[in-house]
Amino acid sequence: RKEVEQDPGPFNVPEGATVAFNCTYSNSASQSFFWYRQDCRKEPKLLMSVYSSGNEDGRFTAQLNRASQYISLLIRDSKLSDSATYLCVVGNSGYSTLTFGKGTMLLVSP
Amino acid sequence: DAGITQSPRHKVTETGTPVTLRCHQTENHRYMYWYRQDPGHGLRLIHYSYGVKDTDKGEVSDGYSVSRSKTEDFLLTLESATSSQTSVYFCAISPRQGRYEQYFGPGTRLTVT
Repeated sequence: RKEVEQDPGPFNVPEGATVAFNCTYSNSASQSFFWYRQDCRKEPKLLMSVYSSGNEDGRFTAQLNRASQYISLLIRDSKLSDSATYLCVVGNSGYSTLTFGKGTMLLVSP
Repeated sequence: DAGITQSPRHKVTETGTPVTLRCHQTENHRYMYWYRQDPGHGLRLIHYSYGVKDTDKGEVSDGYSVSRSKTEDFLLTLESATSSQTSVYFCAISPRQGRYEQYFGPGTRLTVT
């Protein structure tokens, strides 16, 4: 079983739509959770951390379900500029351990 | 944006030649990482450093070595480049160890012919 799994997409949505990305992770001892955004041919950039109680940043809402080992990202009122690949990232204890999902591609069309 | 630069940004080299990629940071962060990103694999950790002269192997370290003689610089060397090392290489930094967020440099696109 892969450590962090995401639907690769692409998700094609119109502007203004709400879109949800899901991610599952295999290590029940994982301690930290993030969503990164990666534009085409660019570096990954931290979008938001994910907290146990869920958290929101503008149009973006992240949720964590530790029992199901499941993370989600909801984007409301999609913009053209939201088109990118969204990476689910999980952190474990130790020196080196962020594990990256392969990403879900989002395409927002006019 | 985090103060991370990578050089070169693009490189084409021949099989069997040594190649060194440089990562430079102005944040004075202790932790630095080298990843490669390939289609179908996502980001994979090559090597990381937890201080000057302190480095360790990651998931895909075969064929790579690293050095860190100063806090701000982390070098990745391909001892004898192979076509399977054609990839995009990202450097990342973190102010804290391990499970905390990392910030990425702009990447180096390496092609081995």
